[in-house]
Amino acid sequence: AQSVSQHNHHVILSEAASLELGCNYSYGGTVNLFWYVQYPGQHLQLLLKYFSGDPLVKGIKGFEAEFIKSKFSFNLRKPSVQWSDTAEYFCAVKGNNNDMRFGAGTRLTVKP
Amino acid sequence: DVKVTQSSRYLVKRTGEKVFLECVQDMDHENMFWYRQDPGLGLRLIYFSYDVKMKEKGDIPEGYSVSREKKERFSLILESASTNQTSMYLCASSFLRGGATEAFFGQGTRLTVV
Repeated sequence: AQSVSQHNHHVILSEAASLELGCNYSYGGTVNLFWYVQYPGQHLQLLLKYFSGDPLVKGIKGFEAEFIKSKFSFNLRKPSVQWSDTAEYFCAVKGNNNDMRFGAGTRLTVKP
Repeated sequence: DVKVTQSSRYLVKRTGEKVFLECVQDMDHENMFWYRQDPGLGLRLIYFSYDVKMKEKGDIPEGYSVSREKKERFSLILESASTNQTSMYLCASSFLRGGATEAFFGQGTRLTVV
């Protein structure tokens, strides 16, 4: 089965700083890749997804991610974070067997 | 609007009780999932189902079972609740194939076993 690693457990940034959250997966087949966000007290919401085509995908709220197949990576980026981006971010991978697995999550704190 | 509904937001159960967590989706999705979410561990897959009466084990199925008698409903059963099953439980659903296979999540059930 596939697995997902998120290397940053807690990231603290000031407003307007740039963000990059790492995500690596292990799976030999075709994958669908996702980033989800969980704001305090809310359910998980999809930020963006990759399933084919352009490896640079754009999502909601100014987020983007780049799929690098050779590195098994799908890092999340945002050029300038806002206080409202404070949340927990989860990377997920779905393989051919339809199960979806998540990383341990990265908690982002943005200081105003 | 897409909806995944979990029957309870909060539950408190006693050790040894049999516990049922219910999940219903209204999107005609084939896939349904149960996860538990614990701080520092992220979401761990307990079971998933890709069709009625079908089930597949995830990474941590011990102590749990599932039931899917209808396409829209997926139940998680704790046969004999234990304190180490205190957690947030998340249900999700998705289409089986195609590009739009992202999972949609319910609000979660916070289960406390005392």
